[in-house]
Amino acid sequence: KAGVTQTPRYLIKTRGQQVTLSCSPISGHRSVSWYQQTPGQGLQFLFEYFSETQRNKGNFPGRFSGRQFSNSRSEMNVSTLELGDSALYLCASSPRPVLAESTDTQYFGPGTRLTVL
Amino acid sequence: DQQVKQNSPSLSVQEGRISILNCDYTNSMFDYFLWYKKYPAEGPTFLISISSIKDKNEDGRFTVFLNKSAKHLSLHIVPSQPGDSAVYFCAAHIRDDKIIFGKGTRLHILP
Repeated sequence: KAGVTQTPRYLIKTRGQQVTLSCSPISGHRSVSWYQQTPGQGLQFLFEYFSETQRNKGNFPGRFSGRQFSNSRSEMNVSTLELGDSALYLCASSPRPVLAESTDTQYFGPGTRLTVL
Repeated sequence: DQQVKQNSPSLSVQEGRISILNCDYTNSMFDYFLWYKKYPAEGPTFLISISSIKDKNEDGRFTVFLNKSAKHLSLHIVPSQPGDSAVYFCAAHIRDDKIIFGKGTRLHILP
């Protein structure tokens, strides 16, 4: 079974631009969660989508948004990029909503490394 | 407010010995705790978890202990192997609300 895939793997943008990252979950998984990893803050939960609906959201500004398609693929968008948005963005998939079904394991993709100049 | 803390940024352990990674939390509402392992250039992989109603869970070389009164959990790896060298994250979640990760501990297994 193929794992979680994220595209692109690396991205360089400048301040003020917007960016869209893509995540394809493991086949059959309907939940996709997004995380931001930075050296200073560690791994932080952005939001979770299940069946095209956002279920939970972390403490991030509205510039961070996402969506999920009927095939469970998900995109994350960051508008008006700031230098502090430079990070590794990880997505993870699970069969059911990860925060509702504790026994489900999340499977992470390799991440997209975003650099904002 | 850092609700999940891994106070040791790094830890070095001799191969074959026990590795103990620690994690402290502040929110008594957390109902589930997890450990993930991360190699460079890869996403985290799930290791082991424990429900807040238990105090121990074991899976092969990995054992997680939960001390609710101290709001402390630990991951024991016995015996430590070279492939265990990685960054370990603990995470805690509140059902239908949020999941919070620690900042990670880098484990070095020495030959």
